Amino acid sequence: SQQGEEDPQALSIQEGENATMNCSYKTSINNLQWYRQNSGRGLVHLILIRSNEREKHSGRLRVTLDTSKKSSSLLITASRAADTASYFCATGLGGTSYGKLTFGQGTILTVHP
Amino acid sequence: NAGVTQTPKFQVLKTGQSMTLQCAQDMNHEYMSWYRQDPGMGLRLIHYSVGAGITDQGEVPNGYNVSRSTTEDFPLRLLSAAPSQTSVYFCASRDPGSYYNSPLHFGNGTRLTVT
Repeated sequence: SQQGEEDPQALSIQEGENATMNCSYKTSINNLQWYRQNSGRGLVHLILIRSNEREKHSGRLRVTLDTSKKSSSLLITASRAADTASYFCATGLGGTSYGKLTFGQGTILTVHP
Repeated sequence: NAGVTQTPKFQVLKTGQSMTLQCAQDMNHEYMSWYRQDPGMGLRLIHYSVGAGITDQGEVPNGYNVSRSTTEDFPLRLLSAAPSQTSVYFCASRDPGSYYNSPLHFGNGTRLTVT
């Protein structure tokens, strides 16, 4: 079963606008990660946030994590046409799971020039 | 470093045929895994390995076999292909530093069609 569910499924914005994607999950996690996938390519890691962290930044990316609501959001500020891609959240478990990652269905982001 | 290399990029099989999807990484990663990606389903874990000689099942292992004889290679075998195995397959590896707080490095995928 899918651990992470993303919202919206698709997002279309103009260059320069901000893009916000949300991820909800069901069970306790060790960390949550965001990945980007360009068409026809593999996934590329963007950012990892641990369960004891609330917010993390990397360049134009801002990720928040609310473990009480079991949700995370990815904000891309001042978007560019090159940000057009699918974005996936992935939840990592602890314990004996060897950190297995479970992926959501993804958000398709289209940034129009 | 080449990273994670998958071959072939595309493959068409007939129902009942067998084949092996190859995956190699040159980053000395102990953890390697196989995912399949289907429209609307996200990525689902097929099998994973935490080192040479050690493999385990993921979420959707039926119809697939794996082995890990070296740190570098983690092939995925389809014993008798079925149309339900039409998908894009991704191999991914992980830094040995910490399983719980490290990202996956993905190959560019193998697009498999079973007719």
